[in-house]
Amino acid sequence: GEDVEQSLFLSVREGDSSVINCTYTDSSSTYLYWYKQEPGAGLQLLTYIFSNMDMKQDQRLTVLLNKKDKHLSLRIADTQTGDSAIYFCAGASNTDKLIFGTGTRLQVFP
Amino acid sequence: KAGVTQTPRYLIKTRGQQVTLSCSPISGHRSVSWYQQTPGQGLQFLFEYFSETQRNKGNFPGRFSGRQFSNSRSEMNVSTLELGDSALYLCASSPGARGNTIYFGEGSWLTVV
Repeated sequence: GEDVEQSLFLSVREGDSSVINCTYTDSSSTYLYWYKQEPGAGLQLLTYIFSNMDMKQDQRLTVLLNKKDKHLSLRIADTQTGDSAIYFCAGASNTDKLIFGTGTRLQVFP
Repeated sequence: KAGVTQTPRYLIKTRGQQVTLSCSPISGHRSVSWYQQTPGQGLQFLFEYFSETQRNKGNFPGRFSGRQFSNSRSEMNVSTLELGDSALYLCASSPGARGNTIYFGEGSWLTVV
């Protein structure tokens, strides 16, 4: 069945890089997304990657995809306190039905 | 360009009542999908609509229903509310072609008492 797993917590110092990991079981996941959720808010789309790509960079964000291991990661360079939030990875095959991970709570300390 | 708009933002209902939530997608987007977020179950897919047709459905009881109008606006309804229906209900929209960017609204917080 479809399953997406993430570690629950990550704590980093301001200015360091953060790496949030995600593994998924559904090999038909064609599109993989990263969303950010701040307290009391909806989901903010950060970036997404097609399964035929290995890497995608967008300003401070770098997404790496290892399709063989079904492993996805999000690297945030120069992490700031405003990056503190819950980060969700999600996969979709050929529809808009997203299968979400449990979310990783990122805490940035000064 | 306005984002995905959900109304109401907050509401409190009593067990046994019904509720209707509304979602206006981004202009030009034809696909609307709904998700339920709870602390225990996380984010779960409810259903997806495209051009007024349900294209996909999650594993929820028949008390949960939805529809989409010709202007792409969507509503979801939950009948005979239960305490466990208390959740954040999120609406997402996309242009509708496969693999498009999917944007979410701020959600509707439903509390059932």
